[in-house]
Amino acid sequence: NAGVTQTPKFQVLKTGQSMTLQCAQDMNHNSMYWYRQDPGMGLRLIYYSASEGTTDKGEVPNGYNVSRLNKREFSLRLESAAPSQTSVYFCASSEVIIYGGTYEQYFGPGTRLTVT
Amino acid sequence: QKEVEQNSGPLSVPEGAIASLNCTYSDRGSQSFFWYRQYSGKSPELIMSIYSNGDKEDGRFTAQLNKASQYVSLLIRDSQPSDSATYLCAVNPYSWGKLQFGAGTQVVVTP
Repeated sequence: NAGVTQTPKFQVLKTGQSMTLQCAQDMNHNSMYWYRQDPGMGLRLIYYSASEGTTDKGEVPNGYNVSRLNKREFSLRLESAAPSQTSVYFCASSEVIIYGGTYEQYFGPGTRLTVT
Repeated sequence: QKEVEQNSGPLSVPEGAIASLNCTYSDRGSQSFFWYRQYSGKSPELIMSIYSNGDKEDGRFTAQLNKASQYVSLLIRDSQPSDSATYLCAVNPYSWGKLQFGAGTQVVVTP
């Protein structure tokens, strides 16, 4: 049981290049999330997928697109990378916790992206 | 005003002492509250969740929630050097799973 996995672990891009960050979970969770983490800013939600077949924007979606490929996989695409997208990207997943109707989220190891 | 606020620290705690971390939130309708631990260069790890007012204990960790004061705290008893990390407070202000995170409090446990 690997939990949440992400690839790649590290990536360096030049401005204008594109790339896709991959995320997969083996916990049979319905919901998946993409965050970015910058120093002093905490975790900010980029996009989320409440269930297979649905995706919605989070707090900072500009410059990103997502695909929920199936229940296990949720990818994040940068179409034209910019230096402002230099960050650490985390994928997370969650399942319904009945009490309070909320979710405990579990995180992948992260992708460290540098855009030059 | 940030929606979830934490003191950034660092909070320096002698080994064996109690570390006390605080978090305030702005959305009075929030229902669920979480504490994550994040070691440098690693991903956040869920250590506590709390949903109702009062205290919840798990090993050396105690989470305390006061919805009237919009305040959640984490106590770490018998602090160990391995507790040195950044602790993130997360709040669910919505009807389902989206979370809002504080910027985190760095804890340094000194031998």
